[in-house]
Amino acid sequence: AQKITQTQPGMFVQEKEAVTLDCTYDTSDQSYGLFWYKQPSSGEMIFLIYQGSYDEQNATEGRYSLNFQKARKSANLVISASQLGDSAMYFCAMSPNSGGYQKVTFGTGTKLQVIP
Amino acid sequence: DTGVSQDPRHKITKRGQNVTFRCDPISEHNRLYWYRQTLGQGPEFLTYFQNEAQLEKSRLLSDRFSAERPKGSFSTLEIQRTEQGDSAMYLCASSLPRDYSTDTQYFGPGTRLTVL
Repeated sequence: AQKITQTQPGMFVQEKEAVTLDCTYDTSDQSYGLFWYKQPSSGEMIFLIYQGSYDEQNATEGRYSLNFQKARKSANLVISASQLGDSAMYFCAMSPNSGGYQKVTFGTGTKLQVIP
Repeated sequence: DTGVSQDPRHKITKRGQNVTFRCDPISEHNRLYWYRQTLGQGPEFLTYFQNEAQLEKSRLLSDRFSAERPKGSFSTLEIQRTEQGDSAMYLCASSLPRDYSTDTQYFGPGTRLTVL
């Protein structure tokens, strides 16, 4: 069974500053993938970044980077140079790398608010 | 726009009525997923299709729920005899696995159901 824990229900960040959203996970799978999604108030889940458990380097996508610490089972999202449009819910998720159907397990999310 | 689309975006219905939602995945994606998201929670898996075959169903999917994906393209999710507890956001996602590793699911904007 997989479990995702996001302990920050809400976060505030000043515009143009960096912010880290925490995510810890638990799994018995040896190979797995970690994801972050953004959900604005409109409701759509927007894929941000992916990290494979065997990837040696932390994933980066523009202003997003994933701070992957396998031994600590953490996969924190770092957003650099925050923008007002970054205000949204952010969900951490994971799935096993088993090739066939892959159930994605989501955390409860963190609401980020960017202050002008 | 070539992303996942869902229709309708909002649905208000009276308890006991039947409702049907539609999802059009990204055109080349052969996997399609339905999720339910309630307030303050991450999405919860409901069911999964590989092409036209429904390969897995969650225990959340009671016998009042039915999903189809004829011809392996669009999918419909029907809820019969709706209950107030069915009020939620229903999200559809699609993916195209390119190798044996985790494939990324891309979500539609969701259908928000309110049962009065």
